[in-house]
Amino acid sequence: AQRVTQPEKLLSVFKGAPVELKCNYSYSGSPELFWYVQYSRQRLQLLLRHISRESIKGFTADLNKGETSFHLKKPFAQEEDSAMYYCALNFRGSTLGRLYFGRGTQLTVWP
Amino acid sequence: DAGVTQSPTHLIKTRGQQVTLRCSPKSGHDTVSWYQQALGQGPQFIFQYYEEEERQRGNFPDRFSGHQFPNYSSELNVNALLLGDSALYLCASSFRDTEAFFGQGTRLTVV
Repeated sequence: AQRVTQPEKLLSVFKGAPVELKCNYSYSGSPELFWYVQYSRQRLQLLLRHISRESIKGFTADLNKGETSFHLKKPFAQEEDSAMYYCALNFRGSTLGRLYFGRGTQLTVWP
Repeated sequence: DAGVTQSPTHLIKTRGQQVTLRCSPKSGHDTVSWYQQALGQGPQFIFQYYEEEERQRGNFPDRFSGHQFPNYSSELNVNALLLGDSALYLCASSFRDTEAFFGQGTRLTVV
């Protein structure tokens, strides 16, 4: 069975501090991992996907197959980063429409 | 392009009733997926439609059914509503294997 675990429901940091949102997954095949973000009163949107290996809004995430993790990191958090973050998994070779989501982490960045 | 649009935004139904939710995909998208998001949880995949057929289905009972029209818009129907069906219902559209875009969701409350 596929499962995505985000252990922290809430995470608070001060502006300028590093932030790491944890995501662990369980899947025996080759997964595709994503981070989605939902800002206040906005729709869910893709932040980044591991195959792109991009840095979006200063965020990066590395897929660690040994630890089955896909943690989201940013060296210097900004107030505008405050949002709900969801880690999601898709089967490699499956359509991108079917995603398995974690329960989400609410990030608050204090001024 | 208005992106993915869902209607209605809010809905209150009585237990045992039936409900229909609607989704218009982003322009150029041909695949529509539906998700249920209970309070405090991540979105859960219900099913996906492509070429007017259900292509994939999550672990939801047959009370949940759907339809896709020739213009790619889609409906989600839920029969014999239960209190536990109260949730935010999200529609996501994509074109083949590209990024899925989400709508704002329909908040369904069953009383």
